[in-house]
Amino acid sequence: ETGVTQSPTHLIKTRGQQVTLRCSSQSGHNTVSWYQQALGQGPQFIFQYYREEENGRGNFPPRFSGLQFPNYSSELNVNALELDDSALYLCASTHRRDGTEAFFGQGTRLTVV
Amino acid sequence: AQTVTQSQPEMSVQEAETVTLSCTYDTSESNYYLFWYKQPPSRQMILVIRQEAYKQQNATENRFSVNFQKAAKSFSLKISDSQLGDTAMYFCAFLNRDDKIIFGKGTRLHILP
Repeated sequence: ETGVTQSPTHLIKTRGQQVTLRCSSQSGHNTVSWYQQALGQGPQFIFQYYREEENGRGNFPPRFSGLQFPNYSSELNVNALELDDSALYLCASTHRRDGTEAFFGQGTRLTVV
Repeated sequence: AQTVTQSQPEMSVQEAETVTLSCTYDTSESNYYLFWYKQPPSRQMILVIRQEAYKQQNATENRFSVNFQKAAKSFSLKISDSQLGDTAMYFCAFLNRDDKIIFGKGTRLHILP
């Protein structure tokens, strides 16, 4: 297992609600990336945080937002949940741009009903 | 746009056989990293093998090896002496200069007893 922990592991929310997902990074890693993985698909890049600043964003609307804390842990917030937001959300911890392994958490399965 | 294409949605092989998973990618970058990730039902994304684009030698990790053809932008994974524990989704992935990992849609591999 990696040192990346995500919480919660499963979550059920109602359309229109807001959700916060959490991720602790691997020790020594200063970069956290978030991915959305729809059922049967590959993960899609949402955004990345490096030293508490957003450092790149994929094709996701502004209602997807995030934070990174001084200890490099991170949160993903999604407002005004839609049914299509139902997916597995993965966070990946890396040390920026050294091409080494990205350590993934086990993911949070979000279901929007 | 940078893309990763896996043309085999699903494959099945007998235990102990050799199997090759295909991957092609598109990028204008000259230096980058390529990966194969394994995602078992536990959802944890596990790095199988990594290739640095500037290295001509194909990477090998025990039973796993790649055939990296940079000019053709091809990056296939060969699993030798396949084992039941190899059953999983396999994702080909590309790390771009912005530290964003771009994934293919995956190949579901079944190892049959």
